[in-house]
Amino acid sequence: DIQMTQSPSILSASVGDRVTITCRASQSIRSWLAWYQQKPGKAPNLLIYKASSLKSGVPSRFSGSGSGPEFTLTISSLQPDDFATYYCQQYNSYSSFGQGTKLEIK
Amino acid sequence: EVQLLESGGGLVQPGGSLRLSCAASGFTFSNYAMSWVRQAPGKGLEWISGIRGSGGSTRYADSVKGRFTISRDNSENTLYLQMSSLRAEDTAVYYCAKDDEDGDINYYDCWGQGTLVTVSS
Repeated sequence: DIQMTQSPSILSASVGDRVTITCRASQSIRSWLAWYQQKPGKAPNLLIYKASSLKSGVPSRFSGSGSGPEFTLTISSLQPDDFATYYCQQYNSYSSFGQGTKLEIK
Repeated sequence: EVQLLESGGGLVQPGGSLRLSCAASGFTFSNYAMSWVRQAPGKGLEWISGIRGSGGSTRYADSVKGRFTISRDNSENTLYLQMSSLRAEDTAVYYCAKDDEDGDINYYDCWGQGTLVTVSS
């Protein structure tokens, strides 16, 4: 099984900050990685797929990069609506998620 | 507009059974694989099962293999998850998710609102 490890688990930041979340796979997953945003009591929402492809309608302040075992999600300028929990998902072999990164207001 | 609506959750005793349904609309259901993903209270996401568009290929996480069965009725645009031998650790919100294509392993471009399953005596 492929294990996905996100860091940090909790990230405190302010509106306007640039933030980066990292996701590391236990083995190479090429570019088969997606990122989701989840708000309390709501279903996850797809942001990025294939490591760096932005889903239509997602603001351009979100970007993804990386390949192989290490990936990043960057939010270029945090907006109030961005405070949420973020998950990475590998879909190279079966499917598995990282443990999540909670982005909270500093 | 793509919509997924789960139903069938509730309180069930350990060892019991439950069937979840997910009604799909807004897309050609049979053209896409579908999956179930669950989230225990306060925890992260766990993929548990997937099924190809034709229903001919299914996959399960080890945590539910042999206890859960995924199926679909393409004439009714509905996805199912039959759960048996339920355990306390199966307590979670269960989401159905639309895969981005009809493949074995995909990302999920649309999710239902979830249905809560509580396993407790």
